[in-house]
Amino acid sequence: GAVVSQHPSRVICKSGTSVKIECRSLDFQATTMFWYRQFPKQSLMLMATSNEGSKATYEQGVEKDKFLINHASLTLSTLTVTSAHPEDSSFYICSAPTRWIGGYTFGSGTRLTVV
Amino acid sequence: GIQVEQSPPDLILQEGANSTLRCNFSDSVNNLQWFHQNPWGQLINLFYIPSGTKQNGRLSATTVATERYSLLYISSSQTTDSGVYFCAVVDAGKSTFGDGTTLTVKP
Repeated sequence: GAVVSQHPSRVICKSGTSVKIECRSLDFQATTMFWYRQFPKQSLMLMATSNEGSKATYEQGVEKDKFLINHASLTLSTLTVTSAHPEDSSFYICSAPTRWIGGYTFGSGTRLTVV
Repeated sequence: GIQVEQSPPDLILQEGANSTLRCNFSDSVNNLQWFHQNPWGQLINLFYIPSGTKQNGRLSATTVATERYSLLYISSSQTTDSGVYFCAVVDAGKSTFGDGTTLTVKP
């Protein structure tokens, strides 16, 4: 199988602080990790693609200085929401390609609330 | 980019009923997946089905790649089937999600 572990599952932070979200591939090496954001009752929108050992690729309209992505190793990718504001409140979810079982495997998501 | 349309947007069923969810996509794709997002937000992979038909218990899916659509069948629905069903297609390494079908199964 393939498991992507995402933490934390829920986080509430004060406006202006930073929050780090981690995604770990537990039983495989993930050279690529995709990060999505989902607003309430909406679909998932790709924010960025992280690749181990190189800079992340951001989708159009996503602020790279606000959403810092690091892919430090073959099993860990992190998303840091810097200087968070209430409009950053959302559900963030990561996924990694798992072609040997077909398709992509998703983490369990992080619900961020900025107050 | 590729467009993904899902229908219907909302579906309400009585427990035990059958349903068909549809996913249309605008261009040829490398793969297609169906997911169930439960009320806690977790995405559960249902099928990886770039073409053909697959079955898993009460669920089955068919993708006709040449006609650019996929269908997800749910038989004998249960209240635990409630949630949002997404299809996602992959083109050039990137996944594009449809807007989902929100399924409510009433007891």
